[in-house]
Amino acid sequence: SQTIHQWPATLVQPVGSPLSLECTVEGTSNPNLYWYRQAAGRGLQLLFYSVGIGQISSEVPQNLSASRPQDRQFILSSKKLLLSDSGFYLCAWDREGGQPQHFGDGTRLSIL
Amino acid sequence: KQEVTQIPAALSVPEGENLVLNCSFTDSAIYNLQWFRQDPGKGLTSLLLIQSSQREQTSGRLNASLDKSSGRSTLYIAASQPGDSATYLCAVPISSGSARQLTFGSGTQLTVLP
Repeated sequence: SQTIHQWPATLVQPVGSPLSLECTVEGTSNPNLYWYRQAAGRGLQLLFYSVGIGQISSEVPQNLSASRPQDRQFILSSKKLLLSDSGFYLCAWDREGGQPQHFGDGTRLSIL
Repeated sequence: KQEVTQIPAALSVPEGENLVLNCSFTDSAIYNLQWFRQDPGKGLTSLLLIQSSQREQTSGRLNASLDKSSGRSTLYIAASQPGDSATYLCAVPISSGSARQLTFGSGTQLTVLP
């Protein structure tokens, strides 16, 4: 069966520090991968998606970037965090053909 | 631009009651619609995926319906239990090639009282 892992589960970072969140999927190959953010009082917002290694599409201009160095690995990064980057970050995957999208357990990011 | 709305924003019911959660979307050209459950501080759990060609999809006590022409979906929960307490989200995909970027509603927070 397929599983998706995100880490860390919780992160507290100072403003201006770098960020690296990692997501890996097991049990499938060539998945579509997604990063979403859920901010307090706001809905889920898609940040990035990837249909293959090295292929990244950005949905909103922001302080964050994403990379896909391996087929089942998706990384969310920032060089300098802002207060507004606080939120709950969720990674998801699916396959072609209208299959369900499955989510990880998320990373709670707090910026001080 | 697709917009997804969920009504009500919050719902509190006694245990054992049947209930309906509503989801509406503005662009009826959708591939499918997915219902999720989110427990506090947790990720999303996929409950049901209903394809655009389907009218209903069932899983246990859950039944999702889809009416594309009117831009509506409902999630019916039978014989509700306290363990059903969570936020329920619906989402529809925007296609870009093989990817399916989801647009989410703001959710319905359900509380089932024992």
